[in-house]
Amino acid sequence: DTGVSQNPRHKITKRGQNVTFRCDPISEHNRLYWYRQTLGQGPEFLTYFQNEAQLEKSRLLSDRFSAERPKGSFSTLEIQRTEQGDSAMYLCASSLDRGGNQPQHFGDGTRLSIL
Amino acid sequence: AQSVSQHNHHVILSEAASLELGCNYSYGGTVNLFWYVQYPGQHLQLLLKYFSGDPLVKGIKGFEAEFIKSKFSFNLRKPSVQWSDTAEYFCAVNADTDKLIFGTGTRLQVFP
Repeated sequence: DTGVSQNPRHKITKRGQNVTFRCDPISEHNRLYWYRQTLGQGPEFLTYFQNEAQLEKSRLLSDRFSAERPKGSFSTLEIQRTEQGDSAMYLCASSLDRGGNQPQHFGDGTRLSIL
Repeated sequence: AQSVSQHNHHVILSEAASLELGCNYSYGGTVNLFWYVQYPGQHLQLLLKYFSGDPLVKGIKGFEAEFIKSKFSFNLRKPSVQWSDTAEYFCAVNADTDKLIFGTGTRLQVFP
């Protein structure tokens, strides 16, 4: 089990810039999730994929956020025109859909700091 | 909308003390319940989960949790904590969809 891999670990950027994060799930996992966590809070759901299909997107997610999983393996999360409020830890998780409930396995996250 | 409440924000214990962390959720239907732990500098790891069956579930490292449907609760327990249990603990629920709804977390500090 190589675990869920996220890159970069830390991203510092100026307000207004675009940023992109990458997530590589556990190899046989067909479900992939993105969450955001701010200080003192639990992770907050952003969106999730089953294979390459984006099945759900949080209503809280601004149009500046977009996620893709083009080949059903790795995923990218892009934030356009970053704002101060986007500073957070962005977490990726993956799970296996076996027709029942499977726990989600989390990566180490990408910490985004907006200057 | 589903929500999860963790009333203990910060718990400080001495080694060998017993631990109980509260978790309550709001949702009227069938739920799946989870406890995740985040050790300093590490990623979230699954401690235990409840999907159905025996409401008392046992997890890793001597942790257990009891699902009480009538109280909408899923409290985490450990009879004797160790210094290595120092971490942040998150309760989470999912119901109609696969997304997890997390509580705000409980920071546990255990002193030798």
